[in-house]
Amino acid sequence: GDSVTQMEGPVTLSEEAFLTINCTYTATGYPSLFWYVQYPGEGLQLLLKATKADDKGSNKGFEATYRKETTSFHLEKGSVQVSDSAVYFCALSRNRDDKIIFGKGTRLHILP
Amino acid sequence: GAVVSQHPSWVICKSGTSVKIECRSLDFQATTMFWYRQFPKQSLMLMATSNEGSKATYEQGVEKDKFLINHASLTLSTLTVTSAHPEDSSFYICSGGGGNNQPQHFGDGTRLSIL
Repeated sequence: GDSVTQMEGPVTLSEEAFLTINCTYTATGYPSLFWYVQYPGEGLQLLLKATKADDKGSNKGFEATYRKETTSFHLEKGSVQVSDSAVYFCALSRNRDDKIIFGKGTRLHILP
Repeated sequence: GAVVSQHPSWVICKSGTSVKIECRSLDFQATTMFWYRQFPKQSLMLMATSNEGSKATYEQGVEKDKFLINHASLTLSTLTVTSAHPEDSSFYICSGGGGNNQPQHFGDGTRLSIL
């Protein structure tokens, strides 16, 4: 079945470090891909999305490119801030029924 | 943009109580909404798909008699945790919208604590 695998956390970085959170997926057809962020005590917020191969989603300095050949959607940011500390979820949407399949989440800690 | 409102945000109640959680789409009509459960430090687990005007579709392993879902209008879905027990304590999140490759919109979640 469809699934999302993302790197396990927690990931701890110093402020201004480069961030990569790996995400790969397994799906039939052509899913849409998303990164969601969950700040402490809050619900999920959409961070960025990509709906077809080679699309690049970007928001708040974060980027991810839909790579069909490697079935990946890695999240990157060139210089992280303390305020980026949160849990990040990679997800895919099965277009045939709109169900979202989430990865297990990666907790990110940014140290000042 | 589209907004999903979830209420209450936090509820604490005694074991055996039934608790209702509301999920409203504020500026769009949702024929389908989704209910998730999130355990501490874990991912979201899809519990069920709420369908307007018809029965909900539950994921495998989710007790439909324990988690009652009603979707009586295009803007409101409710999840009732019946005769809640401490093991039902969790963070419940609803979502709606999406379709045509658009992302779902999530509510802020309801933290349920059963004493």
